[in-house]
Amino acid sequence: QSALTQPASVSGSPGQSITISCTGTTGDVGNYNLVSWYQHHPGKAPKLIIYEVSKRPSGVSNRFSGSKSGNTASLTISGLQAEDEADYHCCSYAGSRTYVLFGGGTTLTVL
Amino acid sequence: QVQLQQWGAGLLKPSETLSLTCAVSGGSFSGHYWTWIRQPPGKGLEWIGEINNRGSTYNPSLQSRVTMSVDTSKSQFSLKLNSVTAADTAVYYCARDTYCSGSLCSIALSFDPWGQGTLVTVSS
Repeated sequence: QSALTQPASVSGSPGQSITISCTGTTGDVGNYNLVSWYQHHPGKAPKLIIYEVSKRPSGVSNRFSGSKSGNTASLTISGLQAEDEADYHCCSYAGSRTYVLFGGGTTLTVL
Repeated sequence: QVQLQQWGAGLLKPSETLSLTCAVSGGSFSGHYWTWIRQPPGKGLEWIGEINNRGSTYNPSLQSRVTMSVDTSKSQFSLKLNSVTAADTAVYYCARDTYCSGSLCSIALSFDPWGQGTLVTVSS
């Protein structure tokens, strides 16, 4: 099964909001509320920032929010800050055969 | 606070077996699923599989070459990937399958925390 589809890159200025999409199918994103998002700075381990579509782990800024509509999940970052510049990966449960799919990752540039 | 520390050989020749171990400290080991994830250079993350003390599930694309194991007495879990090729060159991460805040944990597929990552290079 193919990876989830994310834009390769997005950009925004400090203070702006951006949204990163993660498109799957009815076999994964569209059928399960097990979508998570990870922030990944180069050379570091990925960090969980959203789980179960829209829940935020303790300590993660409320500037990060997640949602889902149909087969597409979205990560929105509001009030962009320089420290948000990183790669972002989405992940979804994909049923008992494929089990887990990741997106290809999106590089966020803060201009 | 749960921490994961991983180690293993970083340079392999084609056809050799990749072997990594991840040690869990600061929290409960049993009752959780433990996961291996990798990121090839310039590519996205790829789920390799998961294991707990009752069983394991592997990525179908890697299933024929992957073996995971747990050592509950040491709070460690391991990954073996045989017959490696250059396509297996990646940073490999271990992680817990669920996010927990105190005694409350998420359902699944909320990878947290993560190990520090190990770059494994396959080259002749």
